[in-house]
Amino acid sequence: DAGVIQSPRHEVTEMGQEVTLRCKPISGHDYLFWYRQTMMRGLELLIYFNNNVPIDDSGMPEDRFSAKMPNASFSTLKIQPSEPRDSAVYFCASSLSVGKTQYFGPGTRLLVL
Amino acid sequence: GIQVEQSPPDLILQEGANSTLRCNFSDSVNNLQWFHQNPWGQLINLFYIPSGTKQNGRLSATTVATERYSLLYISSSQTTDSGVYFCAVGTGGFKTIFGAGTRLFVKA
Repeated sequence: DAGVIQSPRHEVTEMGQEVTLRCKPISGHDYLFWYRQTMMRGLELLIYFNNNVPIDDSGMPEDRFSAKMPNASFSTLKIQPSEPRDSAVYFCASSLSVGKTQYFGPGTRLLVL
Repeated sequence: GIQVEQSPPDLILQEGANSTLRCNFSDSVNNLQWFHQNPWGQLINLFYIPSGTKQNGRLSATTVATERYSLLYISSSQTTDSGVYFCAVGTGGFKTIFGAGTRLFVKA
């Protein structure tokens, strides 16, 4: 398996623009997680899905953030409108079940100017 | 919410030395993982260890859930061990909460 795939790897955008981050989990994994990493706040769990259903989105910072998982092999994290404080590395991870090993994608480095 | 504290925050080792990293958590957890983030930013899962001891090559980990701590041992350190080591705990709500990490630099 190719592992967790994220795209784009880097994104530079201007404040106010919509940003869409994409993730393909490892085939067969039932759980998908979106994390954000910043210098100030470290690693944070934003939202996670089980069998394509959002289970806990309490980590999503604001209504500007939304995440979807239309099928078992694809998820998106959208920021609309983006702000400079959204600049961070966004990681997607998947696992077979909660409590089991999480496998991370390479991350998307987002810079909002 | 649950607090996760890692120590030491920074560690410099000479290649070949051994080290112990510690993770303390403030409440009962149902899972605990150790991760390594290499200097290129890639996160790698090292251990899933809610309790007991596991070993993988030069790395081993022990979690004493009743005393709310976990230890990560690195033996015969190599320069490729450099990076940040994170402890992450899971609570009943299935959230994963990360500690601030231990930044390790191994000198050649």
